[in-house]
Amino acid sequence: DAGITQSPRYKITETGRQVTLMCHQTWSHSYMFWYRQDLGHGLRLIYYSAAADITDKGEVPDGYVVSRSKTENFPLTLESATRSQTSVYFCASGPGTSGGGTQYFGPGTRLLVL
Amino acid sequence: GDSVTQMEGPVTLSEEAFLTINCTYTATGYPSLFWYVQYPGEGLQLLLKATKADDKGSNKGFEATYRKETTSFHLEKGSVQVSDSAVYFCALTVYGQNFVFGPGTRLSVLP
Repeated sequence: DAGITQSPRYKITETGRQVTLMCHQTWSHSYMFWYRQDLGHGLRLIYYSAAADITDKGEVPDGYVVSRSKTENFPLTLESATRSQTSVYFCASGPGTSGGGTQYFGPGTRLLVL
Repeated sequence: GDSVTQMEGPVTLSEEAFLTINCTYTATGYPSLFWYVQYPGEGLQLLLKATKADDKGSNKGFEATYRKETTSFHLEKGSVQVSDSAVYFCALTVYGQNFVFGPGTRLSVLP
């Protein structure tokens, strides 16, 4: 199916465990993004990528690691999960300025860290 | 740094009422401006956008005009429906530099 997908949709883990959230897009968009959504903060950018093998930090990168070996995939890893990382995580992709800057969002992953 | 400020609400209106959600921004570059909408349990989706000053974005009866002189991009709709109940996010993008979203405004429309 065309579009952007995230997996898992729901995840419960424990403090200190490593967790990887997956994101896959079928449009061959050059840009991909990871945001977290928390009450009172709206969406905050964690990391973004302008192309394969190019990643940049956003507003709240600490505790997260990303990679982008293929254009269509952009996994987000929490190396040692903390309770403060309980959140809803959204992946997005976009064609960049050639597409007017629009971002296309996945359905989100709800992560609970106990 | 770049930022977006919008009224957080919640905003509660009766069906067919006029809607305004204010959004102002600060940016070091020349941003593109967006309104995204989020329905319960879903990701965000683009509602409208404007990429240069004085551009008006419009979609589904919603409108917003890029005002560089007042650094604003207020969202308006002349007659809201129950189906418009959602959270609305104002956002700016300066590609290669910054991607910033406002805190979101929750809108509830009552029949």
